[in-house]
Amino acid sequence: DGGITQSPKYLFRKEGQNVTLSCEQNLNHDAMYWYRQDPGQGLRLIYYSQIVNDFQKGDIAEGYSVSREKKESFPLTVTSAQKNPTAFYLCASKTPGGSSSPLHFGNGTRLTVT
Amino acid sequence: QKEVEQDPGPLSVPEGAIVSLNCTYSNSAFQYFMWYRQYSRKGPELLMYTYSSGNKEDGRFTAQVDKSSKYISLFIRDSQPSDSATYLCAMSGPPGGTSYGKLTFGQGTILTVHP
Repeated sequence: DGGITQSPKYLFRKEGQNVTLSCEQNLNHDAMYWYRQDPGQGLRLIYYSQIVNDFQKGDIAEGYSVSREKKESFPLTVTSAQKNPTAFYLCASKTPGGSSSPLHFGNGTRLTVT
Repeated sequence: QKEVEQDPGPLSVPEGAIVSLNCTYSNSAFQYFMWYRQYSRKGPELLMYTYSSGNKEDGRFTAQVDKSSKYISLFIRDSQPSDSATYLCAMSGPPGGTSYGKLTFGQGTILTVHP
């Protein structure tokens, strides 16, 4: 089955540690996205990549980093510089076609930093 | 002010009720409008997709877009307990615009349909 796999489902880290969230897709989509979801705030865009070896900052990129070395993979690193890292992180992808194609989401990683 | 405003609820209705979910937006460049459904501890899934103004119906679900009022709605007829979820509106602009390739989401409305 084609889809987006995010791992792990739950992640716990101590403050001051960097942590990397995995996102893999087998949909052959060019564009991939990372969103953060907090209660009452909807989804906010962290980073996105329209093509391999290229990515752009979203609305809340500070304290995060990404790489796009392969079409299938778009890992997100939450660095110690991110002030409020505890959240539900969602990875998404879509076909080229700009605004007219919908996003497909993974089932998220819930990160807790204490 | 947020670009997209959505009443977070929560909204609780009895089974069989008609549910109305709404979003308002401020960016007149938005042309593509979507509704996503998100079950607890899962990723959002696309429910309805519309382009520009008008209505779209799919089974028990109807999406309406009024671009002149910058207002979109999702109606659920004969609501079922399985419709209990968070509903997120999302929208984006045309190619070449600043919102090209990105979706802007509302805060999400938590809906509970009780038997």
